[in-house]
Amino acid sequence: AQSVTQLDSHVSVSEGTPVLLRCNYSSSYSPSLFWYVQHPNKGLQLLLKYTSAATLVKGINGFEAEFKKSETSFHLTKPSAHMSDAAEYFCPFLTGNQFYFGTGTSLTVIP
Amino acid sequence: EAEVAQSPRYKITEKSQAVAFWCDPISGHATLYWYRQILGQGPELLVQFQDESVVDDSQLPKDRFSAERLKGVDSTLKIQPAELGDSAMYLCASRLGGPGSTGELFFGEGSRLTVL
Repeated sequence: AQSVTQLDSHVSVSEGTPVLLRCNYSSSYSPSLFWYVQHPNKGLQLLLKYTSAATLVKGINGFEAEFKKSETSFHLTKPSAHMSDAAEYFCPFLTGNQFYFGTGTSLTVIP
Repeated sequence: EAEVAQSPRYKITEKSQAVAFWCDPISGHATLYWYRQILGQGPELLVQFQDESVVDDSQLPKDRFSAERLKGVDSTLKIQPAELGDSAMYLCASRLGGPGSTGELFFGEGSRLTVL
């Protein structure tokens, strides 16, 4: 069965400290993986994507993610959190023409 | 920069009324998706189009929801009659290419529906 699990429903960090948002997937095939950010009452915006090229993917706004096949993980990181990073984050994966979304991780940034 | 357009951004209606949402995808994007997102949850697929054809509507409550993409460009999602449980954000997304493509989804700003 295809699925994605975001291990933390809520993460809270202080401004200027590192961010780690965890995502594990389950797929019978080599997936294409994505991270999206959603600010309140907005649509989803792409941060980065993995499509079987380099396992370390750099995205916008200083975010990056590392694909680890052995751990079936695709965790999102950022060295230093900014207040504007407070939002909901999703890590869907694509197989065929279907995107599978998890329940999301809400990131709070404390000033 | 090309964007997915959606309207209305906000809609408040009473239960049993009809509502409609419109989406105009990025030009040239063959695949169009409608998602429903309940507050605090991830998007759930309602219907997927490839050009003008429905390729997946297995999660669409067909007794009250309908969707069309007549000319393979813009799309309309309708709810009739609306129920309290339909209160949610309705997101439209489009993608270049079809099955086998690794292209990402481009989302619109969404339509927030409140049913009273």
